[in-house]
Amino acid sequence: GESVGLHLPTLSVQEGDNSIINCAYSNSASDYFIWYKQESGKGPQFIIDIRSNMDKRQGQRVTVLLNKTVKHLSLQIAATQPGDSAVYFCAETAGTYKYIFGTGTRLKVLA
Amino acid sequence: KAGVTQTPRYLIKTRGQQVTLSCSPISGHRSVSWYQQTPGQGLQFLFEYFSETQRNKGNFPGRFSGRQFSNSRSEMNVSTLELGDSALYLCASRGASSTTSTDTQYFGPGTRLTVL
Repeated sequence: GESVGLHLPTLSVQEGDNSIINCAYSNSASDYFIWYKQESGKGPQFIIDIRSNMDKRQGQRVTVLLNKTVKHLSLQIAATQPGDSAVYFCAETAGTYKYIFGTGTRLKVLA
Repeated sequence: KAGVTQTPRYLIKTRGQQVTLSCSPISGHRSVSWYQQTPGQGLQFLFEYFSETQRNKGNFPGRFSGRQFSNSRSEMNVSTLELGDSALYLCASRGASSTTSTDTQYFGPGTRLTVL
């Protein structure tokens, strides 16, 4: 399928290592954040979310960290696998149900 | 539950034509949003419908319109197509699930529109 973004920042990680994908969000009033994964030819897939009253939330192999002081969000993937190769987007919303998406980061898992 | 479905998956049109895309949300979800995704602009919000009413709108020209039916299914229409309208059009329905902390958006696979 067509690439999601031709000039996305790329993170290359060795299989089995941990990955950290970062996102700077724009609106200090945003109160809900989501990470999505998009594989080639598919729609974005929900990974994990976090509300602004939390600074950390864990899922299966994934952790989201929120630093409201510097408006920074990160996604940590433990023991990265080839199936994790995709473009990852962060999204923010300030209660309007209008989601603002970041530009995305391409994760490449090296065998 | 079945996921968000979109039809058609692929579409080729010529400039000046109009197109209608369809989206069926996850059962029980009443909010449907539409996004345009291009390599250059990324994911851009078009509009959101809830209970047949447009609740939010992005910064797109009036050629882009939508509607929602009483069963929450939604359609998006683009009139007088331009080359720059070539994109992946994504529909997302919003609702709660056991894995999220609040209502969140779930995306369909998208409709790939090519304008020649």
